[in-house]
Amino acid sequence: NAGVTQTPKFRVLKTGQSMTLLCAQDMNHEYMYWYRQDPGMGLRLIHYSVGEGTTAKGEVPDGYNVSRLKKQNFLLGLESAAPSQTSVYFCASSYPLTSGTPNTDTQYFGPGTRLTVL
Amino acid sequence: AQSVTQPDIHITVSEGASLELRCNYSYGATPYLFWYVQSPGQGLQLLLKYFSGDTLVQGIKGFEAEFKRSQSSFNLRKPSVHWSDAAEYFCAGTNFGNEKLTFGTGTRLTIIP
Repeated sequence: NAGVTQTPKFRVLKTGQSMTLLCAQDMNHEYMYWYRQDPGMGLRLIHYSVGEGTTAKGEVPDGYNVSRLKKQNFLLGLESAAPSQTSVYFCASSYPLTSGTPNTDTQYFGPGTRLTVL
Repeated sequence: AQSVTQPDIHITVSEGASLELRCNYSYGATPYLFWYVQSPGQGLQLLLKYFSGDTLVQGIKGFEAEFKRSQSSFNLRKPSVHWSDAAEYFCAGTNFGNEKLTFGTGTRLTIIP
């Protein structure tokens, strides 16, 4: 049981390049999330998904796209990277967040991807 | 807007001393509140959570938090910190039916010998 894994762990891009970050979870969670973490700003939600084939915008979606073709995978794409997208990206997964059932509403986080855009 | 606020950016505590990290929330209905810890270079790990019932909740690693509706607070406490507690701590919140968590900006904890 690997939990939540993220690929790659580190990446350096030049402005205008594209890339895709992969998140995979093996806990059969319906919900998946992409966050970015910047100093002094905590975690901010980029996009999320409440089920296979569905996605929704979070707090800071501009410049990013996502896809959830399989329940266990959630992809985050940057079509044309900008220096402002330099950040640490975290993926998380959970059952319905507020089900009220013990242990089913915790978000489990991956180890993060450190992205630098030059 | 619904949110959580962590007023302390950085706290330094001596090893063995007690700890209290502050979190204030603004949710109209009963909130769901969480505390997460992030060690350097790692992802976030859940320490504890509150949904309803007993306002004092126990978590892992000897942490506890108390929900105080009158003060809109959910402060994290530990009676005696260990050097391994040095990390960044995030308070997060949501309410029933909401699929999204809102995170505070975090409090970095430094432990001195």
